[in-house]
Amino acid sequence: ETGVTQSPTHLIKTRGQQVTLRCSSQSGHNTVSWYQQALGQGPQFIFQYYREEENGRGNFPPRFSGLQFPNYSSELNVNALELDDSALYLCASSYGLNTEAFFGQGTRLTVV
Amino acid sequence: RKEVEQDPGPFNVPEGATVAFNCTYSNSASQSFFWYRQDCRKEPKLLMSVYSSGNEDGRFTAQLNRASQYISLLIRDSKLSDSATYLCVVIFSGDYKLSFGAGTTVTVRA
Repeated sequence: ETGVTQSPTHLIKTRGQQVTLRCSSQSGHNTVSWYQQALGQGPQFIFQYYREEENGRGNFPPRFSGLQFPNYSSELNVNALELDDSALYLCASSYGLNTEAFFGQGTRLTVV
Repeated sequence: RKEVEQDPGPFNVPEGATVAFNCTYSNSASQSFFWYRQDCRKEPKLLMSVYSSGNEDGRFTAQLNRASQYISLLIRDSKLSDSATYLCVVIFSGDYKLSFGAGTTVTVRA
């Protein structure tokens, strides 16, 4: 076990709704990154938080937002859900930058 | 062109066989390299980091060729439990995210 936990594990939402996904990082880790993985593809980087500051963002629209809390846990918020947002959302934690990251079990989001 | 490219496979091999596959990356200024393993509908799990001199972890051997911009993974004495998708991951210089390939599927049959 990596010690990275995500909630919920599964979620079904309707197009246009909003969703919040949560991630608790591994003890001692100060960096959290979020990834979206569509079926048959590798994970795509959404954004990264380092010590509560956004440290980089991938090619995702502004309706994808997030934050990191003082205990280094993190949230991913998605507004105005679209059908194409259906995917596995993965949270990865690491200590610092440029190091290996450890993933939570993911949240499988289905938008109908 | 994608930043990290992998042969998707599938590689279908019998137990005990050796299987090897590569991953190419687009940016020569790349900093860190990893192989992750992902089982169906599960999260990626770190298999091993890849070092410039090459490295082994049990039956797994990883190599890095900076001149040709590729990394490789070799699995010896394949086990049924090695069946998975293997994800090549690169951290490019000046960038802090993990850049993933789409994965190589390996199926080990009895």
